[in-house]
Amino acid sequence: AQTVTQSQPEMSVQEAETVTLSCTYDTSESDYYLFWYKQPPSRQMILVIRQEAYKQQNATENRFSVNFQKAAKSFSLKISDSQLGDAAMYFCAYRSGSGGSNYKLTFGKGTLLTVNP
Amino acid sequence: DTGVSQDPRHKITKRGQNVTFRCDPISEHNRLYWYRQTLGQGPEFLTYFQNEAQLEKSRLLSDRFSAERPKGSFSTLEIQRTEQGDSAMYLCASSLGVGGETQYFGPGTRLLVL
Repeated sequence: AQTVTQSQPEMSVQEAETVTLSCTYDTSESDYYLFWYKQPPSRQMILVIRQEAYKQQNATENRFSVNFQKAAKSFSLKISDSQLGDAAMYFCAYRSGSGGSNYKLTFGKGTLLTVNP
Repeated sequence: DTGVSQDPRHKITKRGQNVTFRCDPISEHNRLYWYRQTLGQGPEFLTYFQNEAQLEKSRLLSDRFSAERPKGSFSTLEIQRTEQGDSAMYLCASSLGVGGETQYFGPGTRLLVL
């Protein structure tokens, strides 16, 4: 079974600074997808960024970028120019690419990000 | 695109009572998922529908839990004879079944069993 580990329960960053959230995963599959979701205090999960394992290029979305190291099974999220609205719980998630009948997401335990003004 | 909606947003019930939650996915999405999230944890998969067919159930889904998706539209999750351990946030997500599609989450239903 796949597992996702987020080793930083909490992180803090100063507004306008850069912060990196860590995620490692364990899988024997070669085809899969990785996601970062954000869950603000209102609790609705929002997709931040996704990465297809077959793509060597790291995904970017505006101020958010990932460092995907397939061999090391590492998938970190970098937030540049942090804003107060970035404060939230961030979850790393894995989804098998083999399809079949289950497309479930496997989540890590999350990292609570605080942004200090 | 009105997003995934869930009803109710909050539910307080007494142990032993039955509760039912509803999820309305994004209209064109054929895949629907239920997850459970307890405090301080990431969401855990419960069950998955493709159209009206329930294709996967987690071992977390005991016999007291049942989910349906009639006609492949909205879905309901029922918990019978609730226990205090059922207290959690129940999240619904939907996706359009093409490739490595993104799952879009609803706001969740927070259940408290007294």
